[in-house]
Amino acid sequence: EAGVAQSPRYKIIEKRQSVAFWCNPISGHATLYWYQQILGQGPKLLIQFQNNGVVDDSQLPKDRFSAERLKGVDSTLKIQPAKLEDSAVYLCASSLTPGRADTQYFGPGTRLTVL
Amino acid sequence: SQQGEEDPQALSIQEGENATMNCSYKTSINNLQWYRQNSGRGLVHLILIRSNEREKHSGRLRVTLDTSKKSSSLLITASRAADTASYFCATDRGGGATNKLIFGTGTLLAVQP
Repeated sequence: EAGVAQSPRYKIIEKRQSVAFWCNPISGHATLYWYQQILGQGPKLLIQFQNNGVVDDSQLPKDRFSAERLKGVDSTLKIQPAKLEDSAVYLCASSLTPGRADTQYFGPGTRLTVL
Repeated sequence: SQQGEEDPQALSIQEGENATMNCSYKTSINNLQWYRQNSGRGLVHLILIRSNEREKHSGRLRVTLDTSKKSSSLLITASRAADTASYFCATDRGGGATNKLIFGTGTLLAVQP
């Protein structure tokens, strides 16, 4: 079974530039998550989708971050404009059944460096 | 904000020894999960323990949960060099359709060959 795919794996940009990350979850998984993991910390949930609807985006900095999940499959996370403190690894995860204590399967992440 | 805090922050042991990591959290939970993160790789789910369970085993892993103390421990027995990784606890408060995990700060485990 293919895992969660993310691209790119690494991205270096200057502050005030824009960047986008892509995620393809495990086939058939209804729920998709985007996490931000700053160096030395645990992942922090940014946004959660169930199919193509947003379930939780309470910790998403909406003035600069946006995310979409078209057709309930792939998802993109965008930062515009980026700040130095956005340097982190962005992890995408998916799980099978909404509302249950399901295992979340994580992708390899995208490491973003903002200069 | 982080819900859980792992203790110790870092742990170094010899191959073959047991490793114990602890996690404390602040609010009531539906379940608690442990994840492993190798250097440069994504998070891998290890084990899930529900709030009505006190102990769970999976291979060389043993997890305990004490909801009265709001704490959990992860024991890795007969450690191997390949167990070197960061270990995170994550709490799921349940309720509704969110299945939202809040991760702790992690324990960095180094197993010396």
